[in-house]
Amino acid sequence: EAGVTQFPSHSVIEKGQTVTLRCDPISGHDNLYWYRRVMGKEIKFLLHFVKESKQDESGMPNNRFLAERTGGTYSTLKVQPAELEDSGVYFCASSQRQGIGISGANVLTFGAGSRLTVL
Amino acid sequence: DQQVKQNSPSLSVQEGRISILNCDYTNSMFDYFLWYKKYPAEGPTFLISISSIKDKNEDGRFTVFLNKSAKHLSLHIVPSQPGDSAVYFCAAIAPGTYKYIFGTGTRLKVLA
Repeated sequence: EAGVTQFPSHSVIEKGQTVTLRCDPISGHDNLYWYRRVMGKEIKFLLHFVKESKQDESGMPNNRFLAERTGGTYSTLKVQPAELEDSGVYFCASSQRQGIGISGANVLTFGAGSRLTVL
Repeated sequence: DQQVKQNSPSLSVQEGRISILNCDYTNSMFDYFLWYKKYPAEGPTFLISISSIKDKNEDGRFTVFLNKSAKHLSLHIVPSQPGDSAVYFCAAIAPGTYKYIFGTGTRLKVLA
């Protein structure tokens, strides 16, 4: 079974430019999440899709960030225009179900992340 | 305000000895806790979890202990191996939600 795939692995752009990150979740996983880790800090929740619908986007920093999941398969996260503070590693994760089930928490499987550097 | 705290940014342990990684939380509503391990250039991978109705969960060399009154959990690795060298993240989930609340991570280095 293929894991969660993210592209690109590293992107270096200048302030004011646009970047689009892509995530391919594990096949059959309806739940897709974006998280971000800024240098040395905690991994923070950005948003959650259930299929193609945004379940929760409360963690999105501001309206320069736009996430989509057309068709309920892969997802993209666009940053436009990028600012210096957007630098960090953006992780995508997926799960079959959400929250805590009878057999325990529905564990998230993470991708390797996309490192974004804004100069 | 950080709800999950890992106050030790790094830890070094000799191979074969016990590694103890600590995590404190502030929200008494959290009812599930997880530990993830992360190698460089890879995503976090699930290691072990514990429900708030338990105080211990064991899986091979890894044991997680939960002290609800102290709002503290710890991960014990015995015996530690060089391949355990990684960053370990503690995470919590509140009931009715699905968001993981992560700590800042502890970098473990196991010395051969």
